[in-house]
Amino acid sequence: NAGVMQNPRHLVRRRGQEARLRCSPMKGHSHVYWYRQLPEEGLKFMVYLQKENIIDESGMPKERFSAEFPKEGPSILRIQQVVRGDSAAYFCASSPYTERGYTFGSGTRLTVV
Amino acid sequence: DQQVKQNSPSLSVQEGRISILNCDYTNSMFDYFLWYKKYPAEGPTFLISISSIKDKNEDGRFTVFLNKSAKHLSLHIVPSQPGDSAVYFCAAIRDGANNLFFGTGTRLTVIP
Repeated sequence: NAGVMQNPRHLVRRRGQEARLRCSPMKGHSHVYWYRQLPEEGLKFMVYLQKENIIDESGMPKERFSAEFPKEGPSILRIQQVVRGDSAAYFCASSPYTERGYTFGSGTRLTVV
Repeated sequence: DQQVKQNSPSLSVQEGRISILNCDYTNSMFDYFLWYKKYPAEGPTFLISISSIKDKNEDGRFTVFLNKSAKHLSLHIVPSQPGDSAVYFCAAIRDGANNLFFGTGTRLTVIP
């Protein structure tokens, strides 16, 4: 019973490149959440998705960031034209329904050089 | 706008003693509170939670207390063990919402 799987664990990108972060939710979970943790800060909500739908993207930066959760395959968080300020740990969480204690993945640490 | 605050970035406690981690919040619409534990290079792990209709919830060595009038909650770990050494995050969620608001975390070190 695998948990929430995120890959890659570490990602290095040069300024201006694209970053793609993947999240496979736990089996049977159809709700996915993305959070970002900047250095020395707590986790900040970015986006909440269900299969093929974005439910709440109030925490997503307006530009360069997008997320999807297709019918088949993992959820993808995409950052275009990365800048140094995008360097952070990005965590994905999933739940079987709208509940208040979901399971987190181990995160993807993005470093922009 | 930090709606959930953990004002102590770190705490050191002797093994066997009580650890008390504190958390304050500003949004009176929060109705559910959670504590997560996080080891380096891992995601947060759910520890314990409490609904706003309660003032205490206990699970083994872990107890969470909620003081709604003061908008304050605390996590008590007793007795503390070296394996408890980690960063602890307090989180809160509004009624009807899906996203958690996290504090900045408290790094607990339990000294053997």
